[in-house]
Amino acid sequence: DAGVTQSPTHLIKTRGQQVTLRCSPKSGHDTVSWYQQALGQGPQFIFQYYEEEERQRGNFPDRFSGHQFPNYSSELNVNALLLGDSALYLCASSSGRGGYEQYFGPGTRLTVT
Amino acid sequence: QKEVEQNSGPLSVPEGAIASLNCTYSDRVSQSFFWYRQYSGKSPELIMSIYSNGDKEDGRFTAQLNKASQYVSLLIRDSQPSDSATYLCAVDPDSWGKFQFGAGTQVVVTP
Repeated sequence: DAGVTQSPTHLIKTRGQQVTLRCSPKSGHDTVSWYQQALGQGPQFIFQYYEEEERQRGNFPDRFSGHQFPNYSSELNVNALLLGDSALYLCASSSGRGGYEQYFGPGTRLTVT
Repeated sequence: QKEVEQNSGPLSVPEGAIASLNCTYSDRVSQSFFWYRQYSGKSPELIMSIYSNGDKEDGRFTAQLNKASQYVSLLIRDSQPSDSATYLCAVDPDSWGKFQFGAGTQVVVTP
């Protein structure tokens, strides 16, 4: 049973560039949530996708956008990268919209220089 | 005031002893609570969920929930060096999957 997968593992970008991160949920799951985790902090909720729509959003600017595909996989896009966007980006999958256990992928480590 | 608070640690625990981790949350109507373990450089791994007041046991782990006191805890019995990690408390305030995490408690199990 495949778990949550994310790509790429690591990424280095320059300030002002754009980046796309990808996530495939655990088999049987239909909901994908994205989190940003800065060093020494807990994950911060970015947004959640269910039925190909953004259902919930955290306190992140519009530079952060996403998409969910019919096969439930998802992308996170970040435009106009800032140095402060350097973090571990985590994808979590779950079944149904909420109140249920979320399982994290291995994460993508983004470094903005 | 942070929405989910945990002691940052480090919490030093002798091997074989019980580690006790605490978490408080601010949203009184929260219904769903989760504990995750995160090893350095890795992603969080779900330990257990708890939804009702009282205790829930899973192997060496016991979660305790007290909604009236807005408090959730995790006990790790017979602590092993492999339990050395950061433990994250997560709350889903409106049960829609928008998890709020504490900053985590670092646990160090000493042989």
